[in-house]
Amino acid sequence: KQEVTQIPAALSVPEGENLVLNCSFTDSAIYNLQWFRQDPGKGLTSLLLIQSSQREQTSGRLNASLDKSSGRSTLYIAASQPGDSATYLCAVRGDAGNMLTFGGGTRLMVKP
Amino acid sequence: NAGVTQTPKFQVLKTGQSMTLQCAQDMNHNSMYWYRQDPGMGLRLIYYSASEGTTDKGEVPNGYNVSRLNKREFSLRLESAAPSQTSVYFCASKGAATNEKLFFGSGTQLSVL
Repeated sequence: KQEVTQIPAALSVPEGENLVLNCSFTDSAIYNLQWFRQDPGKGLTSLLLIQSSQREQTSGRLNASLDKSSGRSTLYIAASQPGDSATYLCAVRGDAGNMLTFGGGTRLMVKP
Repeated sequence: NAGVTQTPKFQVLKTGQSMTLQCAQDMNHNSMYWYRQDPGMGLRLIYYSASEGTTDKGEVPNGYNVSRLNKREFSLRLESAAPSQTSVYFCASKGAATNEKLFFGSGTQLSVL
């Protein structure tokens, strides 16, 4: 059974800092990995999707990398802003059916 | 663009009551999902529908039933609510291609007393 872990569970940084969020998964047989953002009381918004054949994806100040062999992904946020404060979740899609397995998330706070 | 719409946003039930959570998407997506989110447990898949007319169990299906009414709508029913079903419920949808992103509704906060 696929297990997805995100460390740290919570992170507080000053505005302007570059930061890295980590995601690890136990089964490397994945189709893709997605990073989501969740604001309090809201649904999830997909930020980046990395296909299993890709090493990274970029969108604005966000860069996500994937190392399938080691079962790891990172989300890099450059020049963090208070508006980046949210919970970030990663999810992997395996080759069994149509299911995503989610990590527990990292709650990020960017202080002005 | 409405995207994925869930109703209701909030609901309080007494143990044993029944209710249906509604979900509709306007993106012509084939696949639809119901998740629950609990503190310390993350998001867990309850049921999904890969296409109109099909439904499959996810990780935590007990106590729930689903109906894929048409391509747009996917409802989740609690026949006899239990306090353990207190949670935030999210509906999501995805297009046909393997590597398409998942789109989520804004959630339903359900309390069972």
